[in-house]
Amino acid sequence: GQQVMQIPQYQHVQEGEDFTTYCNSSTTLSNIQWYKQRPGGHPVFLIQLVKSGEVKKQKRLTFQFGEAKKNSSLHITATQTTDVGTYFCAGLGTTDSWGKLQFGAGTQVVVTP
Amino acid sequence: DTEVTQTPKHLVMGMTNKKSLKCEQHMGHRAMYWYKQKAKKPPELMFVYSYEKLSINESVPSRFSPECPNSSLLNLHLHALQPEDSALYLCASSQDSNQPQHFGDGTRLSIL
Repeated sequence: GQQVMQIPQYQHVQEGEDFTTYCNSSTTLSNIQWYKQRPGGHPVFLIQLVKSGEVKKQKRLTFQFGEAKKNSSLHITATQTTDVGTYFCAGLGTTDSWGKLQFGAGTQVVVTP
Repeated sequence: DTEVTQTPKHLVMGMTNKKSLKCEQHMGHRAMYWYKQKAKKPPELMFVYSYEKLSINESVPSRFSPECPNSSLLNLHLHALQPEDSALYLCASSQDSNQPQHFGDGTRLSIL
């Protein structure tokens, strides 16, 4: 079955530094979604990527979808304390598995001032 | 603020109790979901309802019984749960089953 691997599991970042989290799927995805979950909170949708090679930016966050639609990355520049949380990628497979988002393990981000 | 409302926020129950978790959304979304999340783990899909019909059941034990009374409501009936069922139970909804999901705050469930 479809699996989504995400690395790193933990990321300690100094405030102002950049970091990247990566996702890889064992199968081609119809789309990939990114969510952020703050400590004690619930996952909050950030972005959806649908097209091969797509790049989207949200302020300091840059999201990429690979050409083969099997991998994705989230790059955060100039990290701030508000970026603390766990970032999950979640892949959606083909039409017969719509609704079945496969979450990566998540990258837990800790920011030191 | 979340547009998906879950009640109760916290629930402590014994292994012989029967209780229900409730979820409500008024965004006109036609897909609704139940997830289970353990600490420091990603959400695990339990059930998907699409247009009020159960479309995915991820081999969840029968002590969890979902119900979708209408397009805005989703319930999860609990009976004879085990201590390992203690977790955060998240409800989510989306416009359609291939669209981004909006999560509720969750119900933190503890089984004694």
